Amino acid sequence: EDQVTQSPEALRLQEGESSSLNCSYTVSGLRGLFWYRQDPGKGPEFLFTLYSAGEEKEKERLKATLTKKESFLHITAPKPEDSATYLCAVQAFTTNAGKSTFGDGTTLTVKP
Amino acid sequence: DAGVTQSPTHLIKTRGQQVTLRCSPKSGHDTVSWYQQALGQGPQFIFQYYEEEERQRGNFPDRFSGHQFPNYSSELNVNALLLGDSALYLCASSLGSGGNQPQHFGDGTRLSIL
Repeated sequence: EDQVTQSPEALRLQEGESSSLNCSYTVSGLRGLFWYRQDPGKGPEFLFTLYSAGEEKEKERLKATLTKKESFLHITAPKPEDSATYLCAVQAFTTNAGKSTFGDGTTLTVKP
Repeated sequence: DAGVTQSPTHLIKTRGQQVTLRCSPKSGHDTVSWYQQALGQGPQFIFQYYEEEERQRGNFPDRFSGHQFPNYSSELNVNALLLGDSALYLCASSLGSGGNQPQHFGDGTRLSIL
């Protein structure tokens, strides 16, 4: 069974203090690993897709990386508006695309 | 470009009742997946619809059923509601049932069971 574990559960940073969020996964053949941002009362918002180990994607202050066992979401010089829950999800080749297995997320709070 | 829309946004039901939730996918998308998200947890896959058929299903009982219409919109039906069904129900759309397409989510329906 596919599994995703995210750490830490919660992270509090000062504005400008860079850090990383971790997503460890076990999957029978990785189709893709996805990062989402979720604000309170909203649905997840797509950030990145990573397909193979060594791949990196960047968007503004966020950078996602992928190894064979885990993915990191690096946040550089965060701002208060980066406060949200960040979700990691995987899709496996053994299932049709569309069945994502999610972790429970990391709730990031950035203080000014 | 219209994103994924869900209705209603909030719903209150009592145990034993039945509920229907609705979803319109993002323009150009033909595949709809439904997820249940309990408070403080990640979304859990319920099922996926493509070409008006249920293509795969997560670990949810038969009380959970769905439908997809020719215009790709979808409904989630839950019968014999239990207190544990209280959650945020998310609809996600994508293009095709295969491939590596990211899913686009609506803002969900918050279902509360009394």
